[in-house]
Amino acid sequence: AQSVTQLGSHVSVSEGALVLLRCNYSSSVPPYLFWYVQYPNQGLQLLLKYTTGATLVKGINGFEAEFKKSETSFHLTKPSAHMSDAAEYFCAVSESDSWGKLQFGAGTQVVVTP
Amino acid sequence: EAQVTQNPRYLITVTGKKLTVTCSQNMNHEYMSWYRQDPGLGLRQIYYSMNVEVTDKGDVPEGYKVSRKEKRNFPLILESPSPNQTSLYFCASSLSGTATQAQHFGDGTRLSIL
Repeated sequence: AQSVTQLGSHVSVSEGALVLLRCNYSSSVPPYLFWYVQYPNQGLQLLLKYTTGATLVKGINGFEAEFKKSETSFHLTKPSAHMSDAAEYFCAVSESDSWGKLQFGAGTQVVVTP
Repeated sequence: EAQVTQNPRYLITVTGKKLTVTCSQNMNHEYMSWYRQDPGLGLRQIYYSMNVEVTDKGDVPEGYKVSRKEKRNFPLILESPSPNQTSLYFCASSLSGTATQAQHFGDGTRLSIL
């Protein structure tokens, strides 16, 4: 069975600074990995996903994530934070034999300060 | 516009009074799912449906029912709501439910059971 751990329930970053959100997973089979973002009073939107191929994945709004199998990690980064990046971010994993079943991490709330 | 629509967005009700949260998608997706979101726990799957008349339990199905009589609709039914079902609920859909597909989420329904 898969599981996801997001380190840090709250992260505060200054505008223009690097955003780094950590995600580690456990999976008994090759995983498929996702990052979703949730803005206030909205549903989740897909930021990016890794299925196969290139391990550095680029997503929307300048975010990217790197799949590191040896570290069982899929950390999310953005070089320069913008005020509009304030939101909650969720890492999720699915497995090839788990039709549609997403296992979510607990989420990381990002606050961006001027 | 492609979307997943949930109604109502907010509901305050009392213990034991049956309620239904509707979910409709206009993308002709086969797979639909219900999640609940609680602080510190991320999103947990309640029920999912691979297609019309095909439903199955997720991780936290107790106290909930679903039905899938039409492809576009997937209502969540709480026949005798209790305070521990106070939560934020999300409906999601994807094209066929395979593990590599991202899911599209509705804007959420906040339920308060008194």
